[in-house]
Amino acid sequence: EDQVTQSPEALRLQEGESSSLNCSYTVSGLRGLFWYRQDPGKGPEFLFTLYSAGEEKEKERLKATLTKKESFLHITAPKPEDSATYLCAVQLTSGTYKYIFGTGTRLKVLA
Amino acid sequence: GAVVSQHPSRVICKSGTSVKIECRSLDFQATTMFWYRQFPKQSLMLMATSNEGSKATYEQGVEKDKFLINHASLTLSTLTVTSAHPEDSSFYICSARVEGGPINEQFFGPGTRLTVL
Repeated sequence: EDQVTQSPEALRLQEGESSSLNCSYTVSGLRGLFWYRQDPGKGPEFLFTLYSAGEEKEKERLKATLTKKESFLHITAPKPEDSATYLCAVQLTSGTYKYIFGTGTRLKVLA
Repeated sequence: GAVVSQHPSRVICKSGTSVKIECRSLDFQATTMFWYRQFPKQSLMLMATSNEGSKATYEQGVEKDKFLINHASLTLSTLTVTSAHPEDSSFYICSARVEGGPINEQFFGPGTRLTVL
């Protein structure tokens, strides 16, 4: 069965304290892995797409990496405005372009 | 680019009434749109895939007669919650996939908060 798991479920960081969020997946065939940020009461905001193992993408304080089994979202020197829920989703090679979402990581960055 | 809108953003209705939610891709065409629901502190659960000009594909356990989906144009999909009950109260989010090229990302609308009294 195709599955996506995110850890930790929740994370509290001090401002400037770097950390990583994990997205592990077990799927029949990976077309792509996607990272989103979601603020309370809003729709997810697209961050990154990763297609193959070894690929990396960066945007400001965020860096996403991909291996054959998992993806990491590294947050360097976070600021309070980085507080949000971070979601990863996988898209399979078979069938439609639908996503399988992970459960998300709720990040709180304290000033 | 790749902006998706939803209307209304918030709706409160009485039990037994029907509610229609619109999802529009504002600056691109979308043959395929997706409808999700999200409960507090939970992730997004895919309800159905909306296909322009054809019937929607529903996920297992989602009642197609209760959640009616119409995708009549390349920029508009609607979700109608029929005979709504309090347990249908949730945050409903749509997304659209940009057609053509190598891009596979889905872009999400801002969501619709449905409260059924």
